[in-house]
Amino acid sequence: KNQVEQSPQSLIILEGKNCTLQCNYTVSPFSNLRWYKQDTGRGPVSLTIMTFSENTKSNGRYTATLDADTKQSSLHITASQLSDSASYICVVSAKLDNFGNEKLTFGTGTRLTIIP
Amino acid sequence: GAGVSQSPRYKVAKRGQDVALRCDPISGHVSLFWYQQALGQGPEFLTYFQNEAQLDKSGLPSDRFFAERPEGSVSTLKIQRTQQEDSAVYLCASSLVGLIGPRGNEQFFGPGTRLTVL
Repeated sequence: KNQVEQSPQSLIILEGKNCTLQCNYTVSPFSNLRWYKQDTGRGPVSLTIMTFSENTKSNGRYTATLDADTKQSSLHITASQLSDSASYICVVSAKLDNFGNEKLTFGTGTRLTIIP
Repeated sequence: GAGVSQSPRYKVAKRGQDVALRCDPISGHVSLFWYQQALGQGPEFLTYFQNEAQLDKSGLPSDRFFAERPEGSVSTLKIQRTQQEDSAVYLCASSLVGLIGPRGNEQFFGPGTRLTVL
C-alpha cells in the first residue's frame, strides 16, 4: 500500500525562527512530490512540486528537497511568520492514466504553530 | 478567477439519513476528484472523473457511497444510510490536465464539506 509518513506530528516555534519538516514515502510508480499548506477549515494549497529528477525547489521562504533514492523529502521554512501557522502536508503522486491524471497519497501532516 | 466551490460547507445528518454533497470545479477543468479527510488525518482518495466518465472508484469505502458527474462539470457525492464513521471533511479537487509539465495536472482543492453524523 502506498504510504506517506511525516514528522514531527506537531511543532511550535517562535516567530522569526527557521524549521524543517520531514517526509518519507513508499509510493509507486512515483510521479512527483508536492508540499501543501492547509489552513484550518480550508482546502490544501500547493507550495512546491518536484519531479523525480529535481533535488530542491524554492518558493519564497519555503525550500523543499527531494532524495528519490532514499524516498525522503523535507520542507524548510525560513524566518517564520505568524501566518505560517497551518498544517503542512506532503503529497506524493502516482500516475493514474494516460491523460495525465494523478492519484495523490497524502501524509497526515505536520501541525505548525508560530508564536510571537 | 473563481476556484473550486463546495456546498454545503457544513452538514449534520442523523444516522441513516441520505446526504448529497456538491462540487463546482474550476470552469474548464477536465478532471474532478473526491477525497475524504478524517479528523487529524490527511485526505484519502475516493474517486475521480475525466469529464463525465468515472475512471476510478476504488477508494469509495462502501456501496453506500456514490458519485456522479453527468454533464462533465458539477459533481455530486451521495452517501446513503449515513453512519457515524462517515463523519469527515469531504474535499473536491479539479485539474485542467493536458498542459505540458507537472503543473498541468495540479489539483486545486475546494474548502470541503464537513459532514457530522449523529
